[in-house]
Amino acid sequence: TQLLEQSPQFLSIQEGENLTVYCNSSSVFSSLQWYRQEPGEGPVLLVTVVTGGEVKKLKRLTFQFGDARKDSSLHITAAQPGDTGLYLCAGVHTGANSKLTFGKGITLSVRP
Amino acid sequence: DSGVTQTPKHLITATGQRVTLRCSPRSGDLSVYWYQQSLDQGLQFLIQYYNGEERAKGNILERFSAQQFPDLHSELNLSSLELGDSALYFCASSVAFEYEQYFGPGTRLTVT
Repeated sequence: TQLLEQSPQFLSIQEGENLTVYCNSSSVFSSLQWYRQEPGEGPVLLVTVVTGGEVKKLKRLTFQFGDARKDSSLHITAAQPGDTGLYLCAGVHTGANSKLTFGKGITLSVRP
Repeated sequence: DSGVTQTPKHLITATGQRVTLRCSPRSGDLSVYWYQQSLDQGLQFLIQYYNGEERAKGNILERFSAQQFPDLHSELNLSSLELGDSALYFCASSVAFEYEQYFGPGTRLTVT
């Protein structure tokens, strides 16, 4: 059973377009993280959201944690080819010594 | 560069064999985590060590084992290898039990 569902699984867009991708679960998490992974490398942490309804911005990336702390979205404004990669969300279970449960990821390709 | 190192970067071996993957955490980090990443299952948590002691277990097979040494480096041992064990294996580290984990570049294991 995959606790975290990410959608869409694949996304190919033109440079300059906006996009929103999602991370959904039926479980409640104490916090949720987004990572970006490039081919041949390990995931790199982008952001951690902790409070239900929290919004965090990282340059052109906007992350939101759902009010019930079960889901999250990532919005990218004016996508650039450098945004290409695998975007993973990971939920942190309450009181579980920082055990992370990862979604399968969203493969984003931004064409120049 | 996350500061986490993993060796080897690539490993090709035959079914039934045993291999050892090595990880050195970031300087000062006491926790080490092992993950397996495959196309169909995504990134799966295997096991966590903190200061030499096993702290949490995830989806780790009985054929797999790990340990963390006094100098805090860790090794993941995979035995009786099967074709399905082919995957990327990542190590991550954190200072203690925080959820901000830093991932190494991974070891790509191919079992033929």
